[in-house]
Amino acid sequence: NAGVMQNPRHLVRRRGQEARLRCSPMKGHSHVYWYRQLPEEGLKFMVYLQKENIIDESGMPKERFSAEFPKEGPSILRIQQVVRGDSAAYFCASSPGTGTDTEAFFGQGTRLTVV
Amino acid sequence: GQQLNQSPQSMFIQEGEDVSMNCTSSSIFNTWLWYKQEPGEGPVLLIALYKAGELTSNGRLTAQFGITRKDSFLNISASIPSDVGIYFCAGQLRAGNNRKLIWGLGTSLAVNP
Repeated sequence: NAGVMQNPRHLVRRRGQEARLRCSPMKGHSHVYWYRQLPEEGLKFMVYLQKENIIDESGMPKERFSAEFPKEGPSILRIQQVVRGDSAAYFCASSPGTGTDTEAFFGQGTRLTVV
Repeated sequence: GQQLNQSPQSMFIQEGEDVSMNCTSSSIFNTWLWYKQEPGEGPVLLIALYKAGELTSNGRLTAQFGITRKDSFLNISASIPSDVGIYFCAGQLRAGNNRKLIWGLGTSLAVNP
């Protein structure tokens, strides 16, 4: 059973370009969470999604950021018109959605660098 | 945004020593979690605590959920070189659709063989 798969592992974008980060949850998991981690810091919650629904986006910046988790395919975190301050590691986690959601498993992250 | 107070920020110890780190919050949580993160990797769950006062072990790791629900500690006994990494605490309230984890800033552990 493959773990949470994120791609790409590393992404370099010029200021003003779009960044698309993908997350394939573990098999059988229907809940996805996105977190952002700046150097020397802990993770910061961004958004919580279930299939085709955004449940909690209280951590998402109001502009330029969006997330989706379609019925088929991976969850996508999209950042439009990237700026240098968007440079960070973005982690996705998934959980089954039954029992305890606390048992969420994290991917290896996508490290975004904006130049 | 909300963040947990985690201490110490870093530790440099000799192999075989015991380690203790803790987290405090101004808010209550109904779940406390401890993760380990190694360079270039995502966090890996070490211990999950669900009840105030709960004491849970996982091998050489022991963690406790504070009675006030506002704090937790993690102990590592007889440290070994592979314990090196950054340890994070995280709290979760789990109310309604609230599933977000609130994280500490981490404790960086270095072990001298």
